[in-house]
Amino acid sequence: EAGVAQSPRYKIIEKRQSVAFWCNPISGHATLYWYQQILGQGPKLLIQFQNNGVVDDSQLPKDRFSAERLKGVDSTLKIQPAKLEDSAVYLCASSSIRGGGADTQYFGPGTRLTVL
Amino acid sequence: SQQGEEDPQALSIQEGENATMNCSYKTSINNLQWYRQNSGRGLVHLILIRSNEREKHSGRLRVTLDTSKKSSSLLITASRAADTASYFCATDAAGGSYIPTFGRGTSLIVHP
Repeated sequence: EAGVAQSPRYKIIEKRQSVAFWCNPISGHATLYWYQQILGQGPKLLIQFQNNGVVDDSQLPKDRFSAERLKGVDSTLKIQPAKLEDSAVYLCASSSIRGGGADTQYFGPGTRLTVL
Repeated sequence: SQQGEEDPQALSIQEGENATMNCSYKTSINNLQWYRQNSGRGLVHLILIRSNEREKHSGRLRVTLDTSKKSSSLLITASRAADTASYFCATDAAGGSYIPTFGRGTSLIVHP
């Protein structure tokens, strides 16, 4: 089966610019996650969707970050305006579990963002 | 803040040796999962252990969970150069929805 797809793979922008990342989860997976991974650290959950509803977005900096999951399939994560500290790899993952509970997350290759 | 913290931060061993890394966490959990991340394959799920389990095996991997000490260990036996990667534990706090929290990871280097 096809894995989680993300694009772009790399992005370099100036601070205060906007950027958007796209994720296509594994077909049929109800749950989608966006993580931020700063160099040398573990992934930090930004937002979790189940179908097109938000399960948790407590660590999403809502003044500059937004995310949506249209029709419960693809998702986009946007940063506007970007700051230097947003430089990181943005990972998308999906899992098949419905209604809560642990399940294996399948991760995409990530988008490496550099903010200059 | 990150719930799980791996120890050691870095580990360097020779091929054929065993590698042990630990994860400690602060609050009660439902489940604990171990993931591996390397530049070639990205972040990959290794094994899940539930709070009512004490030990699980998968190939050369052995995971233990001690809920009284709030800790888990991952043992890789007969390591190979291909095991070189960062290893993360991810926990989800007991009660409520499944919301995973990753630690900072252990960087493992296996020398051929």
